[in-house]
Amino acid sequence: TQLLEQSPQFLSIQEGENLTVYCNSSSVFSSLQWYRQEPGEGPVLLVTVVTGGEVKKLKRLTFQFGDARKDSSLHITAAQPGDTGLYLCAETSTGANNLFFGTGTRLTVIP
Amino acid sequence: NAGVTQTPKFRILKIGQSMTLQCTQDMNHNYMYWYRQDPGMGLKLIYYSVGAGITDKGEVPNGYNVSRSTTEDFPLRLELAAPSQTSVYFCASSYSVATNEKLFFGSGTQLSVL
Repeated sequence: TQLLEQSPQFLSIQEGENLTVYCNSSSVFSSLQWYRQEPGEGPVLLVTVVTGGEVKKLKRLTFQFGDARKDSSLHITAAQPGDTGLYLCAETSTGANNLFFGTGTRLTVIP
Repeated sequence: NAGVTQTPKFRILKIGQSMTLQCTQDMNHNYMYWYRQDPGMGLKLIYYSVGAGITDKGEVPNGYNVSRSTTEDFPLRLELAAPSQTSVYFCASSYSVATNEKLFFGSGTQLSVL
């Protein structure tokens, strides 16, 4: 079983601040996905990163995949209340038939 | 598009009761999954299916059963409900598990066993 650790577990910040959350594994990722889950809903995919060192941007969100493909980070610039939610990383290993999820970072952005 | 539809949205069971959580998708996806999410936690895989007639266990299968008679439907059965099964259950589907394939999730079923 893969073990994905996310940090911090909880994060509460003021609107306009920047933040970074992390996803780490003891194993090499085949690929890594980031999802956001809002209360009462299922997770929704934000991005997939595949190549070590890859950086992807989605508006104010920047996703980075570590060179060794064992870690990833999500940086949010000028956080807004609409960014509030549970951020989950997930990975699938080569040959696996399912996706393993991390424990999540619960972000609250205070207006 | 409906995507992945789960029913019911909420349910309360007594210990020892049985129920079936329904899941259907209209995207003709081969892969379907059942996850449970406990408060403040990520998702744990219960069962998954790679196509009609084929199912396999995930991380936490005990106390659950599944079937996949059609591509569209993937019901999850709880035979003897226990308090430890109080959770939010999510069904998901994907076309495959290629490295950049995304999962589509339903909106969840909140189950309480009292």
